Amino acid sequence: DAEITQSPRHKITETGRQVTLACHQTWNHNNMFWYRQDLGHGLRLIHYSYGVQDTNKGEVSDGYSVSRSNTEDLPLTLESAASSQTSVYFCASSSGDRGTEAFFGQGTRLTVV
Amino acid sequence: SQQGEEDPQALSIQEGENATMNCSYKTSINNLQWYRQNSGRGLVHLILIRSNEREKHSGRLRVTLDTSKKSSSLLITASRAADTASYFCATLSGGSYIPTFGRGTSLIVHP
Repeated sequence: DAEITQSPRHKITETGRQVTLACHQTWNHNNMFWYRQDLGHGLRLIHYSYGVQDTNKGEVSDGYSVSRSNTEDLPLTLESAASSQTSVYFCASSSGDRGTEAFFGQGTRLTVV
Repeated sequence: SQQGEEDPQALSIQEGENATMNCSYKTSINNLQWYRQNSGRGLVHLILIRSNEREKHSGRLRVTLDTSKKSSSLLITASRAADTASYFCATLSGGSYIPTFGRGTSLIVHP
């Protein structure tokens, strides 16, 4: 069965370190998204991609970057981790049809100490 | 910024009762979707309603959409303890493929 997987599930890192969160989907979806989820804020969009070599900033993109070298993967990099980036991160994907659902990974809980 | 806002933020009911959650949004939409999130898990799509539809059913779920009021409701009938979760509405607007989420409603169903 097709799926979307995130790794690691949990990560503790120190302030200032570079961290990369992986997202891999086997749906062959063109669209991929990264969200962060914080209490009181719901899900906020960090970056998104509509296809290979396409990346775009979302609502809360400062301090984050993504790259899309193939259809399956959209890694999220925190260039210099800050305590404010402690959060739960979700990757999602959807097909190119505007009406279809998004499929979510299980999330990565990141703690920056 | 959040497009959708769910109401109430929290809802506690007994098993067998119906649960109603509401979602209001700000701009015109193509469709509105509802998702469920169990504790510690990712979101799972429940149902999608298009802007030209007024009501949709899926099992024990009933969704309504009022585009004139920019609002939607999700009704879960005959709730079960397993329905305990957070529920989010998400909108897609214009030419965007990006679901924009509200803050969610936390539902607790007591056995």
